[in-house]
Parts: sequence; structure tokens; C-alpha cells
Amino acid sequence: NAGVMQNPRHLVRRRGQEARLRCSPMKGHSHVYWYRQLPEEGLKFMVYLQKENIIDESGMPKERFSAEFPKEGPSILRIQQVVRGDSAAYFCASSLGTGNGYTFGSGTRLTVV
Amino acid sequence: GQQVMQIPQYQHVQEGEDFTTYCNSSTTLSNIQWYKQRPGGHPVFLIQLVKSGEVKKQKRLTFQFGEAKKNSSLHITATQTTDVGTYFCAGLGDTGNQFYFGTGTSLTVIP
Repeated sequence: NAGVMQNPRHLVRRRGQEARLRCSPMKGHSHVYWYRQLPEEGLKFMVYLQKENIIDESGMPKERFSAEFPKEGPSILRIQQVVRGDSAAYFCASSLGTGNGYTFGSGTRLTVV
Repeated sequence: GQQVMQIPQYQHVQEGEDFTTYCNSSTTLSNIQWYKQRPGGHPVFLIQLVKSGEVKKQKRLTFQFGEAKKNSSLHITATQTTDVGTYFCAGLGDTGNQFYFGTGTSLTVIP
């Protein structure tokens, strides 16, 4: 009974490259959330998705960031033309539904050099 | 927008002492959850509170939801070194879509 799977665990990108972060939710969970965490800071909401739908993207930067959760396969958080300020830990969480507890993945630590 | 603040930001205690972290929201919350994140780890769900004035206990941990549903607290009795980590509260936002996480309280327990 695998939990939330995120990969890669660590990702290093040069400025200007693209970063793709993947998240497979817990079995039976159809709600996926992406959060960003800077060192010694809290979790900042980015986007909430259900299968093939973006429900709330109010926390996503307007440019360079996009997310999807296709009918088949994992949810993808995509960052184009990365900059140093994008360096952070990106956590994915899934739940059975709104108002339920979240199960977090181990996160992807993105470093932009 | 939704704002959830926690105090203190950092807390150092001697092993065996008690610890409390407080969570305050700018708006009324539908419910509130608490998570623990160990250093270098990911947040782990601890508990959810839904009712006004609700109190729940998990061994040495006591969770409370305020009467006005705008604040909450987590109290740990007789801390142990295994309690080390950052404790986050998370409140369900106005839209009911997602939880907004508090700023977190980092707990250090000195043996």
C-alpha cells in the first residue's frame, strides 16, 4: 500500500532549464495538492487538482509554472526557465476529498545553479 | 486572503518540560489539522478538529480548537527527544478547497 510517491527526490537544474516534478497520489485518492517550502519556512499552497481538472491554482505564479493531473499517470508540476529563486522543496499531497487529512510525499528538492 | 499564524516560531525546552504552540487565523475555519515535520522529512498528519471548543488527546499530545473556531493549540506534556520537529497547523480555507498551513513552530528538545 504505497503512499504518495514523488520523483525525483533531488533535482539540479541550471538557470533557464525546465524542471518536471512528478507525483503519484496514494491509491484511492483523487485529490492532489502541491506545496512549496523554503528552508526553515512554512508550506505555501500552490495548486489543487483532481483528475484532468485544476480546481484552485491561486497559489501558482502566473508565469513559468504549470500543473496537470491527467486521466492516466502522475500529476506533473512543471517549471519553465528556472531561476535561482525557484530553489525549494516541493511537496505533493493527496487526500480522499476536501476536508480530509493529507498524505504527503517525501518531496522533491530542487536546486537551481 | 487566508492567513494562519503560529507562535512561537522556535521553542527550546529541556527534556521533560511541557511545550505549547498556538495557531491563529484571520478568519473562521471550518476545521483545523495538525502536522509534524521532522528535520529533513515531510509533513505527517496528526489530527483533525472540527467542532467549536473540541479537545482531542493522543498520548502526551492535547489538541484544542477555540470556541470561535479561529484559533487552536497543541500541547505536549513531558517532552521527549522524539518530539523534535516542526509542528504545523492547517486551516481549511474560505473556499473549502485546500488547507492553508501556518508558519510552523520548530521544537528542539535538549536531553
